[in-house]
Amino acid sequence: DAKTTQPTSMDCAEGRAANLPCNHSTISGNEYVYWYRQIHSQGPQYIIHGLKNNETNEMASLIITEDRKSSTLILPHATLRDTAVYYCIVPGLRNSGGSNYKLTFGKGTLLTVNP
Amino acid sequence: EAGVAQSPRYKIIEKRQSVAFWCNPISGHATLYWYQQILGQGPKLLIQFQNNGVVDDSQLPKDRFSAERLKGVDSTLKIQPAKLEDSAVYLCASSLRGISYGYTFGSGTRLTVV
Repeated sequence: DAKTTQPTSMDCAEGRAANLPCNHSTISGNEYVYWYRQIHSQGPQYIIHGLKNNETNEMASLIITEDRKSSTLILPHATLRDTAVYYCIVPGLRNSGGSNYKLTFGKGTLLTVNP
Repeated sequence: EAGVAQSPRYKIIEKRQSVAFWCNPISGHATLYWYQQILGQGPKLLIQFQNNGVVDDSQLPKDRFSAERLKGVDSTLKIQPAKLEDSAVYLCASSLRGISYGYTFGSGTRLTVV
């Protein structure tokens, strides 16, 4: 699996954009990048995933650099409810049986949105 | 759709006792996962089921942990006997066809071993 590196913690003001970086310099050409978040006392929640092109959904945008060695998750207008641990995950390449293709969580980035 | 249901929400036991956790995945989700999350760390995968068969249990401490998924629906995770270091949140997740479709996690069971 490609190793990911994320800052331990970040702060953001409510209403501003939160930009969460992730470094995955050993990623290979066909590996996806996934983002999940975990709000206190809840299970992780899927946010978004991408391969090469930038992706956007109702929750966030994912910007992947052209060389794919890093990505940024963008929450365009952060609210207090976005305070959570954000995980950037690169699960690797799927083998024929798919048994290796699973989410492996690191420590993530604790994003604190301040009023 | 209903989410992943887990019970109990909290459990406190003494070391060397036994404990079991229950998970009901989203209807139709073939893949089920059990994760262990120790305070301050990310979740760690213990076991993965595809329908009622085990796909990966390489990180399950098999001397004390066991899991089953009868009829490919509900699942139970058991610890016998428990140790202090088993204190953690045990999370169950399910997925329609694996990672590409996203995992849906339950709220977990917080286990405290004293």
